Amino acid sequence: KAGVTQTPRYLIKTRGQQVTLSCSPISGHRSVSWYQQTPGQGLQFLFEYFSETQRNKGNFPGRFSGRQFSNSRSEMNVSTLELGDSALYLCASSPSSAPNYEQYFGPGTRLTVT
Amino acid sequence: AQSVTQLDSQVPVFEEAPVELRCNYSSSVSVYLFWYVQYPNQGLQLLLKYLSGSTLVKGINGFEAEFNKSQTSFHLRKPSVHISDTAEYFCAVSDIVDTGRRALTFGSGTRLQVQP
Repeated sequence: KAGVTQTPRYLIKTRGQQVTLSCSPISGHRSVSWYQQTPGQGLQFLFEYFSETQRNKGNFPGRFSGRQFSNSRSEMNVSTLELGDSALYLCASSPSSAPNYEQYFGPGTRLTVT
Repeated sequence: AQSVTQLDSQVPVFEEAPVELRCNYSSSVSVYLFWYVQYPNQGLQLLLKYLSGSTLVKGINGFEAEFNKSQTSFHLRKPSVHISDTAEYFCAVSDIVDTGRRALTFGSGTRLQVQP
């Protein structure tokens, strides 16, 4: 099976712009989660979607949003970008949203905000 | 909410030496524990997981970990490391939070530096 894919892999944006990142999960996986990774804050949970419904949301401002489509592909959007949004954004898919199922991670999208 | 503590931010070790990366988590009724590895410019890859049963868990690349409920620890070990093991290692805990939803909480990571 193909792994989790994320596009684009690298992105440079200017402060104030908005950005959309895409994630294609492993075939058959209905859960998609997003994480932000920064040197200062480490890995932080953004949100999880399962069957097009947001299941859980981390402690991030409303500028961060996401959605999931009927084919389980997911997008996350960040509006009004700030310098602090520069990070590696990781997407992970799982066959279930139960806690005993592992999450499979994509290679990430590295976002740089200038 | 769960918290995960990785006691060492960096661990330098010589090739073929044994290594232990420490992980402690805050107590909970039931948790599921994972170790992930991240190589430069890549995502996270699962090394091993503890769901239930035997407290000694074997994973890929010769790694193993021991779940200790009384000490709320899940330390990762390898008897003989290779240069290729140089990477960042993350301990993670998965459980159900007060929203009734799954939460995967990561430790801050340990950078393993294997020297020749």
